[in-house]
Amino acid sequence: QSALTQPASVSGSPGQSITISCTGTSSDIGFYVYVSWYQLRPGKAPKLMIYDVYNRPSGVSSRFSASKSGITASLTISGLQADDEADYYCSSYTTSDTWVFGGGTKLTVL
Amino acid sequence: QLQMQESGPGLVGPSQTLSLTCTVSGGSFSSDNYYWTWLRQPAGEGLEWLGRIDGSRYTKYNPSLKSRVTISVDTSKNQLSLRLNSVTAADTAVYYCARYGISSHSLDTWGQGTLVTVSS
Repeated sequence: QSALTQPASVSGSPGQSITISCTGTSSDIGFYVYVSWYQLRPGKAPKLMIYDVYNRPSGVSSRFSASKSGITASLTISGLQADDEADYYCSSYTTSDTWVFGGGTKLTVL
Repeated sequence: QLQMQESGPGLVGPSQTLSLTCTVSGGSFSSDNYYWTWLRQPAGEGLEWLGRIDGSRYTKYNPSLKSRVTISVDTSKNQLSLRLNSVTAADTAVYYCARYGISSHSLDTWGQGTLVTVSS
């Protein structure tokens, strides 16, 4: 069982927006702003999409945005494209000086 | 541009030691700006942080692995290493190495991962 809770799957049609939630505790998401999101595709190196709750690394599309409220973080992808289909994982630093991840959410672009 | 690539045996026997290396190109282990990290993902499950090492060779491990895990670096070879003792089938997973940026508090560069199966 993963430390952070994500929905197993979400789907949307091209052009639509989807949101993936990530729920933790007061010892991780609720305590720090060190929340990040990663995109995993088969056969490819995982890719950092969001860091420090809402910041996008250089090269990541502005269609990806994120936020945090209390113990829940969220990733929103707007203007869905076929290329966005992948697994997405959230992560947070914890008060134990470790990092925890969610179970991953499979995004299907219909 | 930094690149990371994991390598090692794809099959390890139960109770044996899993040993992997991660070759890093385009970067230095001596930087104070990064930690070097190992993670894994069992089939059908989420990512699990295994531990990290910094430029001062200070290590921090996932408590769930107790004393089974060791992470080290060999700067002469530009390699990060992982050793996991007394493995069981539960240690079967894709193993990743990654660089953690202290300023971004995130894993900014990853290897592609390598599958390790624990089986006799």
